[in-house]
Amino acid sequence: RKEVEQDPGPFNVPEGATVAFNCTYSNSASQSFFWYRQDCRKEPKLLMSVYSSGNEDGRFTAQLNRASQYISLLIRDSKLSDSATYLCVVPEGYGGSQGNLIFGKGTKLSVKP
Amino acid sequence: GEEVAQTPKHLVRGEGQKAKLYCAPIKGHSYVFWYQQVLKNEFKFLISFQNENVFDETGMPKERFSAKCLPNSPCSLEIQATKLEDSAVYFCASSQLAGGATKNIQYFGAGTRLSVL
Repeated sequence: RKEVEQDPGPFNVPEGATVAFNCTYSNSASQSFFWYRQDCRKEPKLLMSVYSSGNEDGRFTAQLNRASQYISLLIRDSKLSDSATYLCVVPEGYGGSQGNLIFGKGTKLSVKP
Repeated sequence: GEEVAQTPKHLVRGEGQKAKLYCAPIKGHSYVFWYQQVLKNEFKFLISFQNENVFDETGMPKERFSAKCLPNSPCSLEIQATKLEDSAVYFCASSQLAGGATKNIQYFGAGTRLSVL
């Protein structure tokens, strides 16, 4: 069974802080990686996708280290609205060919005023 | 449609009753996936379809669970004789492709919360 491991947190940070989440995965054949955000038992929403070494989108940066099978998510200048559970997600199979996603258990972030 | 539509939002069943959940994928998406999320955020893959064909059913419980995607109808997930441990949120997701790069992104519906009493 392919696994995705995350630190469950919770991470309690003040507004404006920088916070980083880590994730390790066991499927060395994966070619794509995702961070989804889930608010309070609502549906997961795609935050970032990573296909090479990393990706940056505004305050969010995802880094991929294939040798260590490790993905990180960095959030700069945290906002109250960033409070959510962040899910590290890796497709199963070679190159994601099986299609179904393997989810980490999520890292809970709480941003305080 | 522009989003994955799941119905109903909430379903309450007594133990032993049948439950049927529906999912309409995003228009133009060929793949549909069903996931079960129980407490503590654990997601479990159940089954996927490529159009109306089963693509991967390795996560589907052998008994009581069945699913279909028929042409011109929403996909469905049916649980016969529900048990207490079936209580969960069931998410449906759709994607254009199942592998490769950008087109394998899965978009999720709002989920159906099944409560078995």
